[in-house]
Amino acid sequence: GENVEQHPSTLSVQEGDSAVIKCTYSDSASNYFPWYKQELGKRPQLIIDIRSNVGEKKDQRIAVTLNKTAKHFSLHITETQPEDSAVYFCAASDQAGTALIFGKGTTLSVSS
Amino acid sequence: GAGVSQSPRYKVAKRGQDVALRCDPISGHVSLFWYQQALGQGPEFLTYFQNEAQLDKSGLPSDRFFAERPEGSVSTLKIQRTQQEDSAVYLCASSLPTMGEAFFGQGTRLTVV
Repeated sequence: GENVEQHPSTLSVQEGDSAVIKCTYSDSASNYFPWYKQELGKRPQLIIDIRSNVGEKKDQRIAVTLNKTAKHFSLHITETQPEDSAVYFCAASDQAGTALIFGKGTTLSVSS
Repeated sequence: GAGVSQSPRYKVAKRGQDVALRCDPISGHVSLFWYQQALGQGPEFLTYFQNEAQLDKSGLPSDRFFAERPEGSVSTLKIQRTQQEDSAVYLCASSLPTMGEAFFGQGTRLTVV
C-alpha cells in the first residue's frame, strides 16, 4: 500500500521568510496530492491540492510542486505570517475522492 | 448544518467498555472516511464507504472496530471492549466521488481510562 514520508517534523521561521515542507510517496499509482492545515484542537482543512497531470500550482502565498518521476511533492509558503503557525499534513491517494494516506505532519512556527 | 458533524466531541470510556461514534456527512457526499489521529501524529486511515457500501476496511486495527453506514448517510464507528491504545481523536471526512476536497469533522476525542 501507499506510504507517505514527510520532512521536516518541525520548522521554525521568522515572519516574512519562506517555508518549505517536502513529502515523498511510494505508490506510482497515486495521482492526487492535497495539503491540509490543522490548528491546535481544530479539524484539518484543505489549503491546496495538485493532480499528477500538473507540475506546479499556486494560490497567493502558497504553492505546491510535484515531481512524479522522483515521487516527491513539496509545499512552499512565502512571506510567512504568525497565523501560518500550525501543523501541515501532506497526503496522497490514487484518485480524488478515495482514501487519503497522510504524512506524519510538520509543525510550523512563525515568529514575529 | 453545512459541514461534517461528529458526536460526541469528547468521550471517556472505562477499559472494556463499548463505544459508538457518530458522523453526519455533508448532504449529498457519497464518500465517507474514518481516520484515527493519535497525539502528534497524522490521521491514519481506518475505513471508507461509498454510499452504504464499505469499500475498504483495511485500516481497522482489530476486529473490535466496526463501522457501518446503513442508509448511505450517517455513519457509526463502534469500538468494542475498548483498550488504552484506542485513545485518540477519531476523524470523519466526506467528499464527492472523484472530486478533490475531503471535508473533515471536528473529531471525537476518545480517552480510555
